[in-house]
Amino acid sequence: EAGVAQSPRYKIIEKRQSVAFWCNPISGHATLYWYQQILGQGPKLLIQFQNNGVVDDSQLPKDRFSAERLKGVDSTLKIQPAKLEDSAVYLCASKGWGAYEQYFGPGTRLTVT
Amino acid sequence: GQQLNQSPQSMFIQEGEDVSMNCTSSSIFNTWLWYKQDPGEGPVLLIALYKAGELTSNGRLTAQFGITRKDSFLNISASIPSDVGIYFCAGQSGGGADGLTFGKGTHLIIQP
Repeated sequence: EAGVAQSPRYKIIEKRQSVAFWCNPISGHATLYWYQQILGQGPKLLIQFQNNGVVDDSQLPKDRFSAERLKGVDSTLKIQPAKLEDSAVYLCASKGWGAYEQYFGPGTRLTVT
Repeated sequence: GQQLNQSPQSMFIQEGEDVSMNCTSSSIFNTWLWYKQDPGEGPVLLIALYKAGELTSNGRLTAQFGITRKDSFLNISASIPSDVGIYFCAGQSGGGADGLTFGKGTHLIIQP
């Protein structure tokens, strides 16, 4: 069974530019999460989707971050405009229906200069 | 918001030694999960705990869900070089909004 796929793996942009990350969850997983992991810290939840609906986006900085999961499968996270403090690894995770365990992708490492 | 205190922050041990790390919370969790993260990779699930008092093993790893539901412990027996990495505890409150709250991690370093 294929795991969670993410792309790109690395991205370097200048501040005030925009960037987008893509995630394809494990096949059949209805719940998808985006986490932000700043160097030296544990991941922090940004947004949770159940199919194509948002369940929790309370920690998403909505002035610059947006995410969508239009068809309930893959998802895109966008930052516009980026700030220096957005430098982090962006992790996507997914979970099967009725399960508790979340499975993570390899992440996208973003560097904002 | 909820915070998890994970300790120790780092451990320097000899190969073959046993390792213990723990996580405490200011709030109750319904599920505790332990992950390991290698450099440049995403966290990999090691053990999941579903009820208070539960003790679960996965090979050389043993984890426990505290009775108060506010803490969890992970033990690694007879450490080997591939155990090197960062270990994270994560708590889940349950319900529809079930994003994980993570600790800051324990960095395990093994000296040959």
